[in-house]
Amino acid sequence: SQTIHQWPATLVQPVGSPLSLECTVEGTSNPNLYWYRQAAGRGLQLLFYSVGIGQISSEVPQNLSASRPQDRQFILSSKKLLLSDSGFYLCASSGHSNTEAFFGQGTRLTVV
Amino acid sequence: AQSVSQHNHHVILSEAASLELGCNYSYGGTVNLFWYVQYPGQHLQLLLKYFSGDPLVKGIKGFEAEFIKSKFSFNLRKPSVQWSDTAEYFCAVNGDFGNEKLTFGTGTRLTIIP
Repeated sequence: SQTIHQWPATLVQPVGSPLSLECTVEGTSNPNLYWYRQAAGRGLQLLFYSVGIGQISSEVPQNLSASRPQDRQFILSSKKLLLSDSGFYLCASSGHSNTEAFFGQGTRLTVV
Repeated sequence: AQSVSQHNHHVILSEAASLELGCNYSYGGTVNLFWYVQYPGQHLQLLLKYFSGDPLVKGIKGFEAEFIKSKFSFNLRKPSVQWSDTAEYFCAVNGDFGNEKLTFGTGTRLTIIP
């Protein structure tokens, strides 16, 4: 099975500062990669979705961006954080066609 | 666009009670359906999945779900819950190759009273 490494586990950043959250995947190649934000009562909101290197789909307009510089590396970024960017961010990976997704442990981001 | 609805936001049951959590989806093609569970302080784990074949799917820890295509539903069931089933449960859907974006419902928080 796949292992998803996500770091850091917690992060406190001031408003206006940049952000970089990294996710790497082991145990598979050419996965689908996802960034989700989890909020209480709102489930998992899909932010970005990638089917391959350099291929990113943005699901909701926001202050964040994503990049996939390598096959098993997915980065969530922001140039200037907003208070509303606070939340719990999850990285996930799945194979292509009829496979389940595996999740990282998540990053709790607090923008102050 | 695909979507998932979980109408039960918070369910409270006593131990040994039967459980059914609702999940309805909207998707125009062949679907894959999932139930994930998140125990307190832990990451999301797969409970069970449906890709094809028998619409009654059995998962871990005594859970099962039934895919009813005519109702666009994939409800989760367990005949007798335990205190350790206290967790948040998420239904999810995606499609076949080329339509693999995984979309989740808003989740159902399940609290089991001893």
